[in-house]
This record gives sequence, C-alpha cells and structure tokens, in this order.
Amino acid sequence: QSALTQPASVSGSPGQSLTISCTGTSSDIGDYIFVSWYQQHPGKAPKFIIYDVTNRPSGVSNRFSGSKSGNTASLTISGLRAEDEAIYFCSSYRRSTAQVVFGGGTKLTVL
Amino acid sequence: VQVDQSGAEVKRPGTTVKISCKISGDTFSDFFIHWVRHAPGKGLHWMGLVDPEDGEVRYAEKVQARLTITADMSVDTVYMEVNSLRSEDTALYYCAAERRRGAPEYYFDFWGQGTLVTVSS
Repeated sequence: QSALTQPASVSGSPGQSLTISCTGTSSDIGDYIFVSWYQQHPGKAPKFIIYDVTNRPSGVSNRFSGSKSGNTASLTISGLRAEDEAIYFCSSYRRSTAQVVFGGGTKLTVL
Repeated sequence: VQVDQSGAEVKRPGTTVKISCKISGDTFSDFFIHWVRHAPGKGLHWMGLVDPEDGEVRYAEKVQARLTITADMSVDTVYMEVNSLRSEDTALYYCAAERRRGAPEYYFDFWGQGTLVTVSS
C-alpha cells in the first residue's frame, strides 16, 4: 500500500555490510534528489539519517550511506552493530502530487 | 531540538480532534512543521505542513477538505485539526520539524513521539 517499495525485512551479522532498497517511479525517486532515509527504534521517534540521496545530517555515523540508480534508492549500513537493529524507511518528493511519499519500512535484524 | 506532542485522544465518529506540537531548543520560525500519519498496518502518509513565519500551509489532496494546520508563534506550537472523523482516521500522528534551507524539501529533521488518535463509536 505504500507508494515506495521496500523489502519487509533484512538481516545481517555484526560487522557485515547490508543494503536496503527503496523503489519508486520516474515521478519521484527517478526524478529528484529529494530522497531521504529514517531510522526508527521500537517505541522511539524516527531519526533522520540521509538526505539528498547521499548526504548525512550532522552527527550521523559515516557507517550509513545512500545512493540512487534510476528509480531505486539504496541505504547501505557498513560494520553492522546490534544498535542498528531498527526499522528503516525511505521518502521522496513526488512531482505529480506535489507531496512527499514514503516506503513501507524495512525491519533490520542483527543476528 | 525537542518536538513535544499532546497526548492520546479517543473520539467518536463525526467529531473533531485537535492535537498540538511544541518546538523547543531552537528558533521556531527556522522550521517548517509537517504532520505525518501512520495508520495500523499501513505505510506513512504525509498530511500537510505549515510555515510558522507566514502561516502558509500545504495539504495533501486526500485530506485537505477535513484538515486544518495552524501555527502560534507566541507559544512555538503548531496545531492540527481533523474534522468529520472516521474509523479510518485511527492512527498515530507524527509532528516533524524540517529545518528551513530555502523552500520546503520535505525532509524531517526532528520528529515527535506521535499522538495516537482512536476513532470509535
């Protein structure tokens, strides 16, 4: 039901790198750099971790990186840690509706 | 920056709910304030935003007929009012602050904890 498509879950072991995808259309992810990512731990407010596809807000670990290819944006987490276990969701501006759309969220489990 | 939202609400269908969002720790007018809805089992949906500096609002097309967002700069607080409530409006409503970098870019720098609104007869 979400406008952007993310895998429901991913998992990895400590120290590994892991990538979460976010697929949209040529009207949103494919059209703009206004793509962002958020991390949300259970019961907590979401945290802003990536903007403009690749940029990190001040204070966000450089283990988090973003990229985009065509209509798909990706979030890569390197050197996986237990505290990275959370839900990650993406968002993008959509020109056709002049508003932002979100992915359904991906639950990351650290094994 | 802290984003503090008002507490949970239980409302009857057809009534109105008004929830608040107070910004502290930085200059209120340095932010655009957004509202995002998360209904059970569904994804996030952006509802609208307000520019506290001039009161300009933008609404999502789907909800604009029933939604009012206002800002009170005297108390650094934004309000969101939804009228003609339906059971489908049952959701967690987030307030999110976007730091002003020019025009809104729909990035959500800081989020509140969410306000649960339950619509039930």
